[in-house]
Amino acid sequence: KQEVTQIPAALSVPEGENLVLNCSFTDSAIYNLQWFRQDPGKGLTSLLLIQSSQREQTSGRLNASLDKSSGRSTLYIAASQPGDSATYLCAVDRDDKIIFGKGTRLHILP
Amino acid sequence: GAVVSQHPSRVICKSGTSVKIECRSLDFQATTMFWYRQFPKQSLMLMATSNEGSKATYEQGVEKDKFLINHASLTLSTLTVTSAHPEDSSFYICSARDFLSSYEQYFGPGTRLTVT
Repeated sequence: KQEVTQIPAALSVPEGENLVLNCSFTDSAIYNLQWFRQDPGKGLTSLLLIQSSQREQTSGRLNASLDKSSGRSTLYIAASQPGDSATYLCAVDRDDKIIFGKGTRLHILP
Repeated sequence: GAVVSQHPSRVICKSGTSVKIECRSLDFQATTMFWYRQFPKQSLMLMATSNEGSKATYEQGVEKDKFLINHASLTLSTLTVTSAHPEDSSFYICSARDFLSSYEQYFGPGTRLTVT
């Protein structure tokens, strides 16, 4: 059974710092891995999607990496801003299902 | 990119009543749609998978008679919460996948259900 774990559960950092969010999954047979952002009471915003054959994807200040063999992904946020404060969810896609981690609640201190 | 809409975005109902939530794929045909539920401060949990024209497949612990799912067309799936109770209050999100062109799932904006 696929399990997705995100560490840390919560993180507070001063504005301007670079930070890394971690995601691990137990079954490496995945189609893709996706990072989402969720603001309080809101739906999901897709940030980056990494296909199983890829190792990383970049969008602006965000960079996501994927190491399928070790079951790990990281989301790197450069030069953090208060607007980056949100919950970040990692999700792996296989067997027609997406399994979500519990998320990392990120708070950027102004 | 592909767009998935949900209606309503927010609904408040009295205990014992039924509520229907619609999920539509606006610019693609969704051969498969998924329904998720999210309780406060928790992650999304898959409730059921529905394929157009066939019965939904429910995850363990999800009552199929309580959460009725209908996927009557390639662009519309509905989730009906029957005889709703306060513990059904949650954030419901649907997603849709078009297997013909992409393996990516596209998520709706969610529906906030409050049962009083």
